[in-house]
Amino acid sequence: DTAVSQTPKYLVTQMGNDKSIKCEQNLGHDTMYWYKQDSKKFLKIMFSYNNKELIINETVPNRFSPKSPDKAHLNLHINSLELGDSAVYFCASSQVAYQETQYFGPGTRLLVL
Amino acid sequence: RKEVEQDPGPFNVPEGATVAFNCTYSNSASQSFFWYRQDCRKEPKLLMSVYSSGNEDGRFTAQLNRASQYISLLIRDSKLSDSATYLCVVVGYSTLTFGKGTMLLVSP
Repeated sequence: DTAVSQTPKYLVTQMGNDKSIKCEQNLGHDTMYWYKQDSKKFLKIMFSYNNKELIINETVPNRFSPKSPDKAHLNLHINSLELGDSAVYFCASSQVAYQETQYFGPGTRLLVL
Repeated sequence: RKEVEQDPGPFNVPEGATVAFNCTYSNSASQSFFWYRQDCRKEPKLLMSVYSSGNEDGRFTAQLNRASQYISLLIRDSKLSDSATYLCVVVGYSTLTFGKGTMLLVSP
């Protein structure tokens, strides 16, 4: 009964490919997030969704697009993958946007060759 | 000044030592503050929220200094299991920023 789950855990792919990472939370939270943690371990917020509405969109390339079919899911789709996209991507959720505890998924380790 | 700054460390301390980390922030309108812990190759997990009056949870004490715009984390009687990276989080009206983290290594 994992609270926040992500699939896949590992993703190795070639430059130029399109890939998706799925995220699901069973906590009943209203807000979900995507973070990127690069090789220097810097954790940076990419997107957040509150009740299926995008409420923040950091300056990430438009090759990245979040998709939320329902409140419990926030998937991340990446087009035309580049070497610099290699990182660990974490999904997270919280009951209230920003102000409360965030629960993170285990991360997806993406390697672009 | 960067939005959120932390000394990356590593802080190398022996078991039983007391160690403190600071995290400075630039936005005086910041509203909420947290400390997260991240173990190697794991996801971040909340350690504690930081309240204006300060708060304590066992060996951990967090404090907020709004005048000087920093938060602190004090760990007493360090354990081997405290070895991790400690991330501060600063929340504004519609912003959320993680610090780059401070690495703590506790040795026997």
